Amino acid sequence: DQQVKQNSPSLSVQEGRISILNCDYTNSMFDYFLWYKKYPAEGPTFLISISSIKDKNEDGRFTVFLNKSAKHLSLHIVPSQPGDSAVYFCAASEHGATNKLIFGTGTLLAVQP
Amino acid sequence: NAGVMQNPRHLVRRRGQEARLRCSPMKGHSHVYWYRQLPEEGLKFMVYLQKENIIDESGMPKERFSAEFPKEGPSILRIQQVVRGDSAAYFCASSTSGTAYEQYFGPGTRLTVT
Repeated sequence: DQQVKQNSPSLSVQEGRISILNCDYTNSMFDYFLWYKKYPAEGPTFLISISSIKDKNEDGRFTVFLNKSAKHLSLHIVPSQPGDSAVYFCAASEHGATNKLIFGTGTLLAVQP
Repeated sequence: NAGVMQNPRHLVRRRGQEARLRCSPMKGHSHVYWYRQLPEEGLKFMVYLQKENIIDESGMPKERFSAEFPKEGPSILRIQQVVRGDSAAYFCASSTSGTAYEQYFGPGTRLTVT
C-alpha cells in the first residue's frame, strides 16, 4: 500500500526554466511533508518542508505547495540549474506516530544546460 | 562538519554470513532511524531508536534483523544469515528529538550479498 506516490519517474527541464515535481498521498493523518534530494551513491539531503497548517513554504529557489483537500503537494524549483539534476523524494510524517518518514518512489530530474 | 557517519560504505557478504552496519548520528542528535532502499524503490522505514531503547521497529523484518543504539558508541543494524534479497542500500538518519520532523541522512551502506 503506497501511501505516498510520485507518479512521474522522470522529468527533463531546460536550465533557467521552472521544474515542478508532484507528490500525492492517501493518509489524511499525515501532517508534515518533506522533500529530499539524492545524488547517486549518496544519502538523501533535506531540502524543504511544510506543515499541514500551511499551504506554501518558500526557501530561495525552492517552494513547496500543499493542497490538503486534494492530498497533493508539489515542489517548484526556479530557476532550475544543472546542479539540481538528482532524484527528488517526497516524504510524509504523521503526528503522534513515531516520526518515521514514509517516502515516495522518487522523481529523477534532469536539467539540460 | 560532523554529519551522520555510516560505515562501512560498501559491504560484501556471502549468503549465510552476518552483516553489521554502523551509524553515528550528528552531534547533538539522540534519535536514530534506519531505512532501506531496494533497487528502483523509495526508502522504507525499518526502525527508530533512542539511546538504549527501541521506539518503533514496525518496519523490521521479523527474523534475522536486529538493531541497537547503546549508551556509548554507534547504532548498529545487524543482519544475520544474509540472503540475496537483503542486497540494498541501508541509510541511517538522525534528529534532535522525537518531535523534530527533519531527519538528516548519512551516506548509506551498500550491502551486496553474493
